[in-house]
Amino acid sequence: ILNVEQSPQSLHVQEGDSTNFTCSFPSSNFYALHWYRWETAKSPEALFVMTLNGDEKKKGRISATLNTKEGYSYLYIKGSQPEDSATYLCAPLNTGNQFYFGTGTSLTVIP
Amino acid sequence: DAMVIQNPRYQVTQFGKPVTLSCSQTLNHNVMYWYQQKSSQAPKLLFHYYDKDFNNEADTPDNFQSRRPNTSFCFLDIRSPGLGDAAMYLCATSRALGGRSDTQYFGPGTRLTVL
Repeated sequence: ILNVEQSPQSLHVQEGDSTNFTCSFPSSNFYALHWYRWETAKSPEALFVMTLNGDEKKKGRISATLNTKEGYSYLYIKGSQPEDSATYLCAPLNTGNQFYFGTGTSLTVIP
Repeated sequence: DAMVIQNPRYQVTQFGKPVTLSCSQTLNHNVMYWYQQKSSQAPKLLFHYYDKDFNNEADTPDNFQSRRPNTSFCFLDIRSPGLGDAAMYLCATSRALGGRSDTQYFGPGTRLTVL
């Protein structure tokens, strides 16, 4: 089993604060990564599909970067809003073409 | 419109009583996956179907079986649930298998309680 770690496990921020979290994975094994957003009582939804080392993606106030050589991806949220409250899961793709999920970062944005 | 549907959303079963969880999709995707997520843990892949080809993960217990009668439906059968099988079970689909751009589409999950 290849370890995919996400930090922090949970995060509480005030509305308007910017925040970021990390997904770490063994650099020798993974070459792409997906981020998913999972709101309570809903289905996880793909947020970013990052296919190359150095990829940077942005969707509104949320952006992500990928560094497969050093084994990490960052997710940034600028000016957090209550609707950003969710669990954010990363899923790196290994050289065997299998996704491994992290345990997620649970974000709560306090109005 | 829901694209991956899981029924039921909540399932309670008794220790040792077989249970079946259902997943259906309207995306016509080739691949369907079943994940198990226990509290505070990462979703863990149990198995997947590529079309009719079944692929079991090496560490998936024999207690877990799956059926895919057609493209749209996939079932997870737990033959003799134990207390340790209580978890959220997620179904997902993708167009192809393991490609770097192949997003997985998830259902909302079924939360299984074993009494």
